[in-house]
Amino acid sequence: NAGVTQTPKFRVLKTGQSMTLLCAQDMNHEYMYWYRQDPGMGLRLIHYSVGEGTTAKGEVPDGYNVSRLKKQNFLLGLESAAPSQTSVYFCASSSGQGGAQYFGPGTRLLVL
Amino acid sequence: DQQVKQNSPSLSVQEGRISILNCDYTNSMFDYFLWYKKYPAEGPTFLISISSIKDKNEDGRFTVFLNKSAKHLSLHIVPSQPGDSAVYFCAWRQAGTALIFGKGTTLSVSS
Repeated sequence: NAGVTQTPKFRVLKTGQSMTLLCAQDMNHEYMYWYRQDPGMGLRLIHYSVGEGTTAKGEVPDGYNVSRLKKQNFLLGLESAAPSQTSVYFCASSSGQGGAQYFGPGTRLLVL
Repeated sequence: DQQVKQNSPSLSVQEGRISILNCDYTNSMFDYFLWYKKYPAEGPTFLISISSIKDKNEDGRFTVFLNKSAKHLSLHIVPSQPGDSAVYFCAWRQAGTALIFGKGTTLSVSS
């Protein structure tokens, strides 16, 4: 049972480049989330989804877009990367709003 | 303004002793508090939670206490083990929304 997986594990981008981070879960969870963690900070919610085909904004959504075309996948896109988006990105999933969230191993992104 | 505050960035404890990690919150409308543990280069893992209707929850070596009048909760680890060395985050979940995390406390348990 893989749980929550994230691709890629590490990426370096130049300012203005675009990329997509992929999150996949095999637990049949309805809810999925994208967080970012910066040094000395807790995790902050970027976007989340309460089911296939749905997305909603979190605390820090600017500069990111998401899509949930399949229940098991949640994609995070950066259309034009900025140095301020240098961070570690974590994906999580839960069975519902009452369930504990299970996290992936993270994607470390460096924007130069 | 931070809704969940972990005021101690770090804590050092000897193996076998008690570790107490603290968390303060500002909003009284909450559903659950959760504690997560995070090792370097890994994602956070769920440790233990407590609902708003309880004042204590226990799971093995881990106990969480909730003091609603003081808007304070604490995680007790007894006895502490070197493998407990990690960053601990408390997180607040208001009904129907995602989690609000504190900044974390780094626990170091020495043998």
